[in-house]
Amino acid sequence: EPEVTQTPSHQVTQMGQEVILRCVPISNHLYFYWYRQILGQKVEFLVSFYNNEISEKSEIFDDQFSVERPDGSNFTLKIRSTKLEDSAMYFCANRAQGNIQYFGAGTRLSVL
Amino acid sequence: DAKTTQPPSMDCAEGRAANLPCNHSTISGNEYVYWYRQIHSQGPQYIIHGLKNNETNEMASLIITEDRKSSTLILPHATLRDTAVYYCIVSNSGGSNYKLTFGKGTLLTVNP
Repeated sequence: EPEVTQTPSHQVTQMGQEVILRCVPISNHLYFYWYRQILGQKVEFLVSFYNNEISEKSEIFDDQFSVERPDGSNFTLKIRSTKLEDSAMYFCANRAQGNIQYFGAGTRLSVL
Repeated sequence: DAKTTQPPSMDCAEGRAANLPCNHSTISGNEYVYWYRQIHSQGPQYIIHGLKNNETNEMASLIITEDRKSSTLILPHATLRDTAVYYCIVSNSGGSNYKLTFGKGTLLTVNP
């Protein structure tokens, strides 16, 4: 199974600080996604990214969030000013043939 | 995307087959049925998918009814490591977005 690598595994930050979550996707895959899962809740779609552009974003993905692929390999999710309610697991995913999405192990974000 | 209905929980004895049902009565003709699972707080893991024919891979079998309004995921010989939340998702295979919409899934507990 193709691997998607996410770093860090756990990020602790103070409210109001900026965080950047990183994802190293499967090479030559063009479709990327970010999802989040608040503890005890469902996995929620945040944003999809194709050809270096956002193709769809959810209501959760407001102006505090941004995504980019700065160097052609890493795929990042930035939260500009974190809030307590941003505490969650954040999962990156790649889309492969057959429209199968492969997920990373996730980054646990804890906002204090 | 069409909505799915799954039982919140199921139990299965180790070594026995686990049969997980899913109702998707509003599925449209171009929507596939996908199954993912999530072990504890790990990233969701792809299991299998299908359109209208039954499918089998090294992990599981997928049985889709002729009217496509329901399906069953079969784990032929469940092990303790198969304890997880199993998600049935229906989604259009086309387009550049193809976000996954997760429900609450079925918590499968495999007992020794």
